[in-house]
Amino acid sequence: GENVEQHPSTLSVQEGDSAVIKCTYSDSASNYFPWYKQELGKRPQLIIDIRSNVGEKKDQRIAVTLNKTAKHFSLHITETQPEDSAVYFCAATLNYGGSQGNLIFGKGTKLSVKP
Amino acid sequence: DSGVTQTPKHLITATGQRVTLRCSPRSGDLSVYWYQQSLDQGLQFLIQYYNGEERAKGNILERFSAQQFPDLHSELNLSSLELGDSALYFCASSVEAGRNSPLHFGNGTRLTVT
Repeated sequence: GENVEQHPSTLSVQEGDSAVIKCTYSDSASNYFPWYKQELGKRPQLIIDIRSNVGEKKDQRIAVTLNKTAKHFSLHITETQPEDSAVYFCAATLNYGGSQGNLIFGKGTKLSVKP
Repeated sequence: DSGVTQTPKHLITATGQRVTLRCSPRSGDLSVYWYQQSLDQGLQFLIQYYNGEERAKGNILERFSAQQFPDLHSELNLSSLELGDSALYFCASSVEAGRNSPLHFGNGTRLTVT
């Protein structure tokens, strides 16, 4: 079936460094790609999203890039801070049949930012 | 605060029992989704409702069922509970039935089956 692959599963960086998380998707009709941050024991929160008609989107220290040809998208966090430590999930929409528009999530990346 | 309300926050029950988890979506959202998250696992899509009707099914066990009521709140029923059903159950809502609509998650119900 359709799926979203996310890498790496864990990522450790020093405070101030950049972090990059990559996802690939299989449904070529996917057109919406959100990223969620989940702190320990809390709900996933939307941090940024991108639609298929855009190649890049930025929001302060966070940016997302999308390559529709290669079917992959990435999250970039610059100048990382300890409060960025969390699990990050990428997702992509399914666009076929009865599941049209549903989000399929990657398995998550545990980011640790060391002071 | 996402505006999505889930009750209860915690639930502890025994194997073989049945429980009901409740979700109230954000005001104006018509679509409700249920996800299961086991320890250190990702978000497994269970089921989606849109304006009272089932819209899509994911990896939902036959022992689990859900419904969305006319006031748009939703309930997830888990029966014949097993130890492996222990997990965080999240409800999320969106304005539309998917299609570029961000999902807003509730704080989850932590189910522990002993």
